[in-house]
Amino acid sequence: SSELTQDPAVSVALGQTVRITCQGDSLRSYYASWYQQKPGQAPVLVIYGKNNRPSGIPDRFSGSSSGNTASLTITGAQAEDEADYYCNSRDSSGNHLAVFGGGTKLTVL
Amino acid sequence: QVQLQQWGAGLLKPSETLSLTCAVYGGSFSGYYWSWIRQPPGKGLEWIGEINHSGSTNYNPSLKSRVTISVDTSKNQFSLKLSSVTAADTAVYYCAREVRGVIIYYYYYYMDVWGKGTTVTVSS
Repeated sequence: SSELTQDPAVSVALGQTVRITCQGDSLRSYYASWYQQKPGQAPVLVIYGKNNRPSGIPDRFSGSSSGNTASLTITGAQAEDEADYYCNSRDSSGNHLAVFGGGTKLTVL
Repeated sequence: QVQLQQWGAGLLKPSETLSLTCAVYGGSFSGYYWSWIRQPPGKGLEWIGEINHSGSTNYNPSLKSRVTISVDTSKNQFSLKLSSVTAADTAVYYCAREVRGVIIYYYYYYMDVWGKGTTVTVSS
């Protein structure tokens, strides 16, 4: 399958924990990467590999994976975390082409 | 600190060819794949294609017939051409560096450095 499926929108109360999920067959053999995108800005990598954060990404961001589902968890969400989040992987159907999820709009209440 | 600087024409007429270039500064060019991604207004990210320093390419099947990605290793640059554009090609276009590998039978893949994006509008 070449698809990664995300919930279109998720909300979280300030300071609470939120999980954003990404489903796809390729996630059984690929770790998902996660990107944060704020309006008018380029995407920023926040999680890659099993559960790695690039330099400068707060430790409230974490990643996990089980079966065909990858998750991005924000523990103690802050107002500045309000953004669109995209997962990314390679297609496992044979050509191993890159694919993005449809994106999740996170609202911090 | 690797930086990507991209440029190209921002306004095109239908049927013209989109042309963008991305220059890589401050890091190795070889050993990576380099991608183009686009984002139509109000929509999600769409991967267009990729190239490595040797010129090996892969393209999104939905765009393959119109896309050419090329590389100039002497300048540490890679370029995107998209032919026969229509209004549906209006988008912000990004270039990015790919990192990929495998850890104990599990693959990892991510884009760690992105260009700032170029807005391309197709209008008659």
